[in-house]
Amino acid sequence: RKEVEQDPGPFNVPEGATVAFNCTYSNSASQSFFWYRQDCRKEPKLLMSVYSSGNEDGRFTAQLNRASQYISLLIRDSKLSDSATYLCVVNSELSFGAGTTVTVRA
Amino acid sequence: ETGVTQSPTHLIKTRGQQVTLRCSSQSGHNTVSWYQQALGQGPQFIFQYYREEENGRGNFPPRFSGLQFPNYSSELNVNALELDDSALYLCASSLSDSTDTQYFGPGTRLTVL
Repeated sequence: RKEVEQDPGPFNVPEGATVAFNCTYSNSASQSFFWYRQDCRKEPKLLMSVYSSGNEDGRFTAQLNRASQYISLLIRDSKLSDSATYLCVVNSELSFGAGTTVTVRA
Repeated sequence: ETGVTQSPTHLIKTRGQQVTLRCSSQSGHNTVSWYQQALGQGPQFIFQYYREEENGRGNFPPRFSGLQFPNYSSELNVNALELDDSALYLCASSLSDSTDTQYFGPGTRLTVL
């Protein structure tokens, strides 16, 4: 089993829709989690950290479920500019998922 | 921008050759991690350097080696290049250990022919 697994998608959603996806991890002792955004042929850019109590940053909400060992990202009111690949990372193992592709259409 | 720089941006090599990639970390960061990202895959951890010492290594053969310098910049060296080494090589700097936020450079795209 891979250390970090993501649904690859793609998720094709209309503008204004809500989209959510998960990332599962195998090490129950993992401590720190992040979501990164990666545009085509560019480097990953930090989107947000994931805190135990869950956290929001504008239209983005990240949740951590330790019991089921997954983190989630929810994007509300999707914009065209949200089209990207979203990578989750379990920092304590420096393990990245393969990414979830989101395409927002007009 | 993150302040992390990498050189060169693109590189073409042939099988069997050796390559050195360079990374300058963000000011104040003493940890550099290197990743290999093949097309359609997530970044795969190669190794991490903390204060000039290797601080962890992923599942890569010994022909992948590295250095970190006193100014915390870093090099990734790959010997005996293989076709499968073609990828985007990313370095990321962070303030200290692996639990801190990593900031990525723009990457070096290596093509092995």
